[in-house]
Amino acid sequence: GQQVMQIPQYQHVQEGEDFTTYCNSSTTLSNIQWYKQRPGGHPVFLIQLVKSGEVKKQKRLTFQFGEAKKNSSLHITATQTTDVGTYFCARLVSGNTGKLIFGQGTTLQVKP
Amino acid sequence: EAQVTQNPRYLITVTGKKLTVTCSQNMNHEYMSWYRQDPGLGLRQIYYSMNVEVTDKGDVPEGYKVSRKEKRNFPLILESPSPNQTSLYFCASSSGRVVQYFGPGTRLTVL
Repeated sequence: GQQVMQIPQYQHVQEGEDFTTYCNSSTTLSNIQWYKQRPGGHPVFLIQLVKSGEVKKQKRLTFQFGEAKKNSSLHITATQTTDVGTYFCARLVSGNTGKLIFGQGTTLQVKP
Repeated sequence: EAQVTQNPRYLITVTGKKLTVTCSQNMNHEYMSWYRQDPGLGLRQIYYSMNVEVTDKGDVPEGYKVSRKEKRNFPLILESPSPNQTSLYFCASSSGRVVQYFGPGTRLTVL
């Protein structure tokens, strides 16, 4: 019930191609966070979305929160080799707990 | 520099030998957590703490203990490690429950 499902698990793209990862929930989410983990590194916070239909951009990255707040996506335009890594979505469980539930992650490989 | 530190970074041990992985943050954050990362499973929360002396179980607490005696430290204790606890462990801290700052990770192998 509380899980978030992420697809695809892996994606290989040619440098310059676009990339999208999707995060889905069976229940309404109060928020969704996105993290990036470089190979051998630790997860680094990218963004949080809280409003229905919200769209935020960070340079070539576009984050969307669905109208029904049950899904989210991260789209990278014109991938570069520096985009390589695993992208995780995560939901913060409501209530004053600090409990975060992560999706399984999407690992992106970019061929130069 | 604001950071979360973990020690050790790498550890190989044997079944049943008690170990502690330390975690420390210098950002005065209230919230701290421990996660384990396994291939195909993402990050799963082991324990979390909302403040000093306040801890609670995450999704996979079996076989682990934690304590929060000081705000900056949140050690993870494996009283009797088993091979299924071989994993990559991350400590994280946050203030206001939004951004979680992760430590560099501890790669643990239990033989």
